[in-house]
Amino acid sequence: KAGVTQTPRYLIKTRGQQVTLSCSPISGHRSVSWYQQTPGQGLQFLFEYFSETQRNKGNFPGRFSGRQFSNSRSEMNVSTLELGDSALYLCASSPQGTGTGNTIYFGEGSWLTVV
Amino acid sequence: AQSVSQHNHHVILSEAASLELGCNYSYGGTVNLFWYVQYPGQHLQLLLKYFSGDPLVKGIKGFEAEFIKSKFSFNLRKPSVQWSDTAEYFCAVNSDERGGADGLTFGKGTHLIIQP
Repeated sequence: KAGVTQTPRYLIKTRGQQVTLSCSPISGHRSVSWYQQTPGQGLQFLFEYFSETQRNKGNFPGRFSGRQFSNSRSEMNVSTLELGDSALYLCASSPQGTGTGNTIYFGEGSWLTVV
Repeated sequence: AQSVSQHNHHVILSEAASLELGCNYSYGGTVNLFWYVQYPGQHLQLLLKYFSGDPLVKGIKGFEAEFIKSKFSFNLRKPSVQWSDTAEYFCAVNSDERGGADGLTFGKGTHLIIQP
């Protein structure tokens, strides 16, 4: 069974640009969540989607957005990039979402560098 | 808001030593608890999880953790570490409030180095 797949793995963007990251969950999983990992702040919850609906959003500005498609694939978008957005963005999937007793599986992440 | 505290940011042990990594959380309601490991160059992997039942949970690779509700703690243990246990370890909590829709709250992580 394929794991959580994230694309692209590495990218460099310029301040002010926008970026879209993609995540394909494990087959059969309906929940996708996104996390940001930085050396200073550690792992922080961005948002979670279940059946195309955002269940909750972490404490991030409106520049961070996401969506989920009918096949459970998800994208996250960051607009007007800032230097501080440089981070590893992790996608995680589970059958029914956090808090349900399911194991949450993480992808390898997308490394974003903003210059 | 819930928070997670991992007491040791860096731990260095010799092979065969016993390991205990501390984790405390700050939420008074029902919680789900996890330990994840991130080996160098690899993605986060689940070591073990606690949702209910026996507070002593066993995970992969000989790891175990004990949930002590009165102390808001979920410490990770291993009786004898190996060089291959060198990795970053993260404790995470998810509250049962709102059906767990608040995502996982992670600790800052503990960087474990095992010396051969």
